[in-house]
Amino acid sequence: QKEVEQDPGPLSVPEGAIVSLNCTYSNSAFQYFMWYRQYSRKGPELLMYTYSSGNKEDGRFTAQVDKSSKYISLFIRDSQPSDSATYLCAMSDYNKLIFGAGTRLAVHP
Amino acid sequence: DAMVIQNPRYQVTQFGKPVTLSCSQTLNHNVMYWYQQKSSQAPKLLFHYYDKDFNNEADTPDNFQSRRPNTSFCFLDIRSPGLGDAAMYLCATSRAEGAYEQYFGPGTRLTVT
Repeated sequence: QKEVEQDPGPLSVPEGAIVSLNCTYSNSAFQYFMWYRQYSRKGPELLMYTYSSGNKEDGRFTAQVDKSSKYISLFIRDSQPSDSATYLCAMSDYNKLIFGAGTRLAVHP
Repeated sequence: DAMVIQNPRYQVTQFGKPVTLSCSQTLNHNVMYWYQQKSSQAPKLLFHYYDKDFNNEADTPDNFQSRRPNTSFCFLDIRSPGLGDAAMYLCATSRAEGAYEQYFGPGTRLTVT
């Protein structure tokens, strides 16, 4: 079993839709939970992070962490074509980041 | 703008022919990482430097080596590339070890023929 599981998609939605991206994990030592966005032919860039359980909101993006279920989510409201990218979840136990495989998202006008 | 630069962006090498990938950073970060990312897979950490201290991941093949001659530069050497080493190689930096925020370069796409 992989430490971090992420549905690879692809996910195709119309502009304006609400998008839900999810990851599950197995290591209860993870404390930081991140979402990185990777555009085609670019390196990943940090989108949001959450420490421990709870919700965090930043504009159209909301990150949720449920440590009891070992489940994290990223919600994108009013999705835009510019949101089309691969979204990678990542987790840290203070030593290193463990990434999910990424979910490819396409938002079409 | 402060950034992480990788050269070349695309590299083609022959089976068994040594190759070196380059990474430089203007962020003045202490930690530099090398990841291997194969198609539709998670980036896999190969090793990292904290300042001059080298930290190898347990499952990184001996075929992969790294050098960090100074704070700004880090190199990935693949001594005898095999077909299975074809991948995107990502360099990243962070201020501290274990930091949740890492800054990535655009990657080098390696093809092995």
